[in-house]
Amino acid sequence: DADVTQTPRNRITKTGKRIMLECSQTKGHDRMYWYRQDPGLGLRLIYYSFDVKDINKGEISDGYSVSRQAQAKFSLSLESAIPNQTALYFCATSEEGSTDTQYFGPGTRLTVL
Amino acid sequence: GEDVEQSLFLSVREGDSSVINCTYTDSSSTYLYWYKQEPGAGLQLLTYIFSNMDMKQDQRLTVLLNKKDKHLSLRIADTQTGDSAIYFCAHNPPSGTYKYIFGTGTRLKVLA
Repeated sequence: DADVTQTPRNRITKTGKRIMLECSQTKGHDRMYWYRQDPGLGLRLIYYSFDVKDINKGEISDGYSVSRQAQAKFSLSLESAIPNQTALYFCATSEEGSTDTQYFGPGTRLTVL
Repeated sequence: GEDVEQSLFLSVREGDSSVINCTYTDSSSTYLYWYKQEPGAGLQLLTYIFSNMDMKQDQRLTVLLNKKDKHLSLRIADTQTGDSAIYFCAHNPPSGTYKYIFGTGTRLKVLA
């Protein structure tokens, strides 16, 4: 089974709708992240959380919110989706220390019409 | 600055070596990584190098780090069609920061 899972894998929605993307991990890591990927722009950090009570904005948090329901779960919400939020969204985890490696989920492709 | 730059595309013939290059500006990170993204999938760690190393070899992969020039490269020997993917260079958050820095990715196309 995958260590980092995301649901849904694909979603098409309309402008103004509220959308939630979910992420679960079995790696036991405290640190979790949400990124979006756009062609030619690489990965941009939306929010990150270093433990259940810690939520921090990344570089592009406007229009997004998150919830860290448990160590293993980190959800991303789009309060009122707009077309320029069409992108590929990735959840990632990491563990402090060791090699500081991030582990990514398979991604959610979101299309906002 | 915290930029990581990569060329966008690379095309090689099957069996040849591929070299993907990356330059970065912040030299205070401890680890530098190469991730591979196949179509429809997330990023998977290929390899990493500790910042006090010059080279790391792992089967067909060779990572070279030139700290003076802030240049990282990934060499794939005997490139196969299954190596076609996007390759991202990245480094872990510099001390006192939280953000991993990723390059824009290099799309490698392997021609049969």
